[in-house]
Amino acid sequence: GESVGLHLPTLSVQEGDNSIINCAYSNSASDYFIWYKQESGKGPQFIIDIRSNMDKRQGQRVTVLLNKTVKHLSLQIAATQPGDSAVYFCAGWPCHDYKLSFGAGTTVTVRA
Amino acid sequence: NAGVTQTPKFQVLKTGQSMTLQCAQDMNHEYMSWYRQDPGMGLRLIHYSVGAGITDQGEVPNGYNVSRSTTEDFPLRLLSAAPSQTSVYFCASSSGRAGPDTQYFGPGTRLTVL
Repeated sequence: GESVGLHLPTLSVQEGDNSIINCAYSNSASDYFIWYKQESGKGPQFIIDIRSNMDKRQGQRVTVLLNKTVKHLSLQIAATQPGDSAVYFCAGWPCHDYKLSFGAGTTVTVRA
Repeated sequence: NAGVTQTPKFQVLKTGQSMTLQCAQDMNHEYMSWYRQDPGMGLRLIHYSVGAGITDQGEVPNGYNVSRSTTEDFPLRLLSAAPSQTSVYFCASSSGRAGPDTQYFGPGTRLTVL
């Protein structure tokens, strides 16, 4: 299976600054990673994903970095906005396994 | 295209009662799953299905049953509710049957067991 964990449970960031959320995973055979955003009272919302054959992937204001050597991935949010305040989860999916494992989540609070 | 829908949104049960949480998706996804989310924790996988007629256990399956008679629907049954099953339940679906793919989540069902 897979075990994923986030490094910090909370992150406070000034509006306009960049945010970095970190995540570690245990299974070196993990093939696919996803970052989700969850706002209060809602289901997790897909942000960005990355497969193990990539080191970096960019979306709109977000970048995911994957370091397979140390089994670490990060989510970078550029120019953080108040609407980015939410809980962020990383999730990992091992090869040949249909079970997606989630970390505990990092609560991001954006200060005006 | 409604995506993943869940009913009810809220439910209160007494210990020992049974109920079914409904989940449906209209994206023709093969893979569907159920998670529970407890305060301050990530999502934990209860059961999943890779297609109609096929189900399997996740990380925390005890006390729950599932079936998958159609591609669209994946109900979760609580056989005899216990206070430990108080949680928020999320259903998700994805198109990947042969391997991992992006999962889309429903809005959740908030369950309280007294």
